Amino acid sequence: GQQVMQIPQYQHVQEGEDFTTYCNSSTTLSNIQWYKQRPGGHPVFLIQLVKSGEVKKQKRLTFQFGEAKKNSSLHITATQTTDVGTYFCAGHSGGSNYKLTFGKGTLLTVNP
Amino acid sequence: GAVVSQHPSRVICKSGTSVKIECRSLDFQATTMFWYRQFPKQSLMLMATSNEGSKATYEQGVEKDKFLINHASLTLSTLTVTSAHPEDSSFYICSASDWPSGRGEQFFGPGTRLTVL
Repeated sequence: GQQVMQIPQYQHVQEGEDFTTYCNSSTTLSNIQWYKQRPGGHPVFLIQLVKSGEVKKQKRLTFQFGEAKKNSSLHITATQTTDVGTYFCAGHSGGSNYKLTFGKGTLLTVNP
Repeated sequence: GAVVSQHPSRVICKSGTSVKIECRSLDFQATTMFWYRQFPKQSLMLMATSNEGSKATYEQGVEKDKFLINHASLTLSTLTVTSAHPEDSSFYICSASDWPSGRGEQFFGPGTRLTVL
């Protein structure tokens, strides 16, 4: 079945440093979504990427979708303590139910 | 975004009892809901896809007789953990999808922490 690998599993940074998490799918994706889960909370949708090579920005967050639509990345510039949480990528490879396959997530901690 | 509620938020039960968890989409009609299980500091493990008016589709390795799912309406799906055992203790999260009316975003409920003694 489809697998979505995500690295690193953990990342600890000093406030102000940059952060990147990478996602790789075993199969070509129809689209990829990114979610953020704060400690003790539930996942919250951040963005969806659909097109090959797509790049989207949300303030300090930059999301990329690979040309082959099998990999993606999330880059945060100048991290802040509010960025703390686990970032999950989730791939959709087609199908009427819109089932997502989640990566294992990257837990980001930020030292103030 | 859309709001999904989940009840109860926390439940403690004795081994052998059954527990029902409700998932409601409050402001949109969800044709499809999903049930996940999440262990501490781990990813979301999809248990089943719940389709309104039809049987749920279970992922490989998930016992459908143990985790009963009912999607009675476009706003309500329930998960019943039958004859719960301590190994069933976990964080259960539901989500509702806006597909096909939307882009397929999943709106997650706040989760239910189940502890089986």
